[in-house]
Amino acid sequence: VQLVESGGGLVQPGGSLRLSCSASGFSLRGHHMHWVRLAPGKGLTCVSTITSDDLNTVYADSVRGRFTISRDISKNTLDLQMNSLRSDDTAVYYCVKEEAGNWKPFETWGQGTLVIVSS
Amino acid sequence: EIVLTQSPGTMSLSPGERATLSCRASQSVSSSYLAWYQQRPGQAPRLLIYAASSRATGIPDRFSGSGSGTDFTLTISRLEPEDFAVYFCQYYGTSLQPFGQGTKVEIK
Repeated sequence: VQLVESGGGLVQPGGSLRLSCSASGFSLRGHHMHWVRLAPGKGLTCVSTITSDDLNTVYADSVRGRFTISRDISKNTLDLQMNSLRSDDTAVYYCVKEEAGNWKPFETWGQGTLVIVSS
Repeated sequence: EIVLTQSPGTMSLSPGERATLSCRASQSVSSSYLAWYQQRPGQAPRLLIYAASSRATGIPDRFSGSGSGTDFTLTISRLEPEDFAVYFCQYYGTSLQPFGQGTKVEIK
């Protein structure tokens, strides 16, 4: 079971990035998936969730309207489209797999991809 | 909104010593949904404890969790060199599963 993120980098304020997470060893279909970020000097924050049936997405207040979570079951990938980026979006972004079921702990984490928003 | 507050922010201990980390919730929560994670430098977080006191697969028995209501504790009975890391608590029984701000366990 493995998650590998890509797509991070340096972007100017107001710019966009698309993060991608490739899953192997399991199907995304049966799991709620999350994007969690760790900003400098701050704790972990879950910024977005997509439910296993794709019927529901959830966003933290700080990113709602700017970020969009999605997944491609055929490719077994999870994406996070980030628009109108701000300096406080600077963080390491982790793709996270929740254990199967509802309200389960975060059992598998990717290695993370670094996003730096700066001019 | 549930807010988790961890204390202390940093603790300086020697290998072999006991570490006791605290996580306090802003309101009473179900212990069935309280987890602890370890993050070593340059690595992703790793699930240690779930349901307040159950160890995840492969976690050594020197790690233990306890608590209920608003107060939860992670105890490391004898610190090994690889245990010096940052520890986060999390409540995963609500949307966007909030985390505490972390406790850093550093070598004294």
